[in-house]
Amino acid sequence: AQKITQTQPGMFVQEKEAVTLDCTYDTSDPSYGLFWYKQPSSGEMIFLIYQGSYDQQNATEGRYSLNFQKARKSANLVISASQLGDSAMYFCAMREVSEGAQKLVFGQGTRLTINP
Amino acid sequence: EPEVTQTPSHQVTQMGQEVILRCVPISNHLYFYWYRQILGQKVEFLVSFYNNEISEKSEIFDDQFSVERPDGSNFTLKIRSTKLEDSAMYFCASSEDGDFTDTQYFGPGTRLTVL
Repeated sequence: AQKITQTQPGMFVQEKEAVTLDCTYDTSDPSYGLFWYKQPSSGEMIFLIYQGSYDQQNATEGRYSLNFQKARKSANLVISASQLGDSAMYFCAMREVSEGAQKLVFGQGTRLTINP
Repeated sequence: EPEVTQTPSHQVTQMGQEVILRCVPISNHLYFYWYRQILGQKVEFLVSFYNNEISEKSEIFDDQFSVERPDGSNFTLKIRSTKLEDSAMYFCASSEDGDFTDTQYFGPGTRLTVL
């Protein structure tokens, strides 16, 4: 079974609109962390936002927020007021204590395109 | 802002040759990692390194691969005898500690092309 599932291979959004990128995860471990990374066409991996399994509130970082629904095992990334520079691949990833907590397991990614 | 750096940005090699990919992690970080991303695919974990030894590795990280911290700043990934299927983007990452809450910061990657 996939640990991280991103069901949207591609999304197209108009500039200034909000966008939600979906991520569901599979774990029986009570202790885990969820991360979102952005990969522009230049190739680097840029950390965006983190949510811990014990966090009571949804994480926010500037225009990024995480819609964390623990019972549904989903951790969707919300980008408000999208900009042309938001066009990139977006990866959801997880670290679990039971898996040694070292490795990040990534989803397949969602390619986001912002249209002017 | 401190960042992870990697050299070279692009490496082209012949099948069967040895390559060494270099990384300088963020200076106060204690855990180091290598990941790879085959073109168009997801990022895959290779190995983590702490206190001068491998702390975890994936099934991809076979005997052809090795890692080393040759001095106080560099962290290297060696592929002994490259295969065509080793062509990928290789990312180095580092984190302050190995806890599941800790963020891993990635370098810009080295694109390895095996001919």
